[in-house]
Amino acid sequence: EPEVTQTPSHQVTQMGQEVILRCVPISNHLYFYWYRQILGQKVEFLVSFYNNEISEKSEIFDDQFSVERPDGSNFTLKIRSTKLEDSAMYFCASNKGAENTEAFFGQGTRLTVV
Amino acid sequence: AQTVTQSQPEMSVQEAETVTLSCTYDTSENNYYLFWYKQPPSRQMILVIRQEAYKQQNATENRFSVNFQKAAKSFSLKISDSQLGDTAMYFCAFMKHAGAGKSTFGDGTTLTVKP
Repeated sequence: EPEVTQTPSHQVTQMGQEVILRCVPISNHLYFYWYRQILGQKVEFLVSFYNNEISEKSEIFDDQFSVERPDGSNFTLKIRSTKLEDSAMYFCASNKGAENTEAFFGQGTRLTVV
Repeated sequence: AQTVTQSQPEMSVQEAETVTLSCTYDTSENNYYLFWYKQPPSRQMILVIRQEAYKQQNATENRFSVNFQKAAKSFSLKISDSQLGDTAMYFCAFMKHAGAGKSTFGDGTTLTVKP
């Protein structure tokens, strides 16, 4: 069964460093998302991406964040200068489109900023 | 903006018994989608069940079923014959429309199944 894959599963980075979280969505899906879950809290929407551009973003998704689909298969989330409060689980998700509603989630990347 | 409320932070149930997790939501939309996700200790998000708002019939998936009350904006999850492997955090989620719609999640309910 096709699945969304995320790498790495766990990343530790120093405060102020840049990190790139990688995702490979399901191949025939058209919509891509990043969500964040701070430990013990709810899952929060960050950004959605369609047709090679951002379709919606939340107030969390400030100038420190960017997304890219560099090669038609990978979907990346970059955090330019990490802060301690960026420590969280980051989930990538993809959705086929109008006829198939639910988003399929990856297994998540645990980001720890020290 | 849509909101999703799960009023039960924690619940427990004896193995083989039935438990119901509650979820309410607020929206002005008429067509939308509701989901229950399971998040075990591994923290992976696993879709349990989904419900399209235009369908009156409640969705069922094996031991999992929902009670969808559109007028009351209520979407509860019933787990029958609870198993130890059902121990997890459960999130209710709302999606405004198909395709590009983002999902809005509730705060989650931690369910513990006791042997």
